[in-house]
Amino acid sequence: KQEVTQIPAALSVPEGENLVLNCSFTDSAIYNLQWFRQDPGKGLTSLLLIQSSQREQTSGRLNASLDKSSGRSTLYIAASQPGDSATYLCAVLSSSGSARQLTFGSGTQLTVLP
Amino acid sequence: DGGITQSPKYLFRKEGQNVTLSCEQNLNHDAMYWYRQDPGQGLRLIYYSQIVNDFQKGDIAEGYSVSREKKESFPLTVTSAQKNPTAFYLCASGQGINQPQHFGDGTRLSIL
Repeated sequence: KQEVTQIPAALSVPEGENLVLNCSFTDSAIYNLQWFRQDPGKGLTSLLLIQSSQREQTSGRLNASLDKSSGRSTLYIAASQPGDSATYLCAVLSSSGSARQLTFGSGTQLTVLP
Repeated sequence: DGGITQSPKYLFRKEGQNVTLSCEQNLNHDAMYWYRQDPGQGLRLIYYSQIVNDFQKGDIAEGYSVSREKKESFPLTVTSAQKNPTAFYLCASGQGINQPQHFGDGTRLSIL
């Protein structure tokens, strides 16, 4: 059964710093890996989706990488801002088995201090 | 604007009562999903539906029921059999394997 782990569980950085969030998964048979942002009391907003054949995706100050063979992904946030404060969740869509469902990590809670 | 609407935002359940959470989407997506989120945890899949009039159990379906009579609607009923229903419930929709899921703003369910 797929398991997704995110480290660290919480991170606090001063404004302007570059930072990296980590995600690991146990089964490399995946269609894609997705990074989401969740603000308190809200739903999830999709940030980046990396297909299994891709190595990275970029959107603005965000860059996500995928190493499928080692079961790892990183989300790089450049020049962090207080508005980046949120919980970041990664999820993988497994290709093994008949169910096409996302498996989520428990998230990294990011605080960017002004 | 296209999106997913969940209602109500807050819901309280009495002992032995069934409650129904609403989820409506106008994105014309075929697939819809219900997730449960507990504090400090990731999302766990309750039920999903790939097409109208069809749905499948997820990892934690016990104590829940769903219907999918219309493409745009996927209501979730939390039955009295669910002994620990207090959680944040999120509905999502999607179209295709390599398209991201879109989420509603959630319903927070508590016990009276």
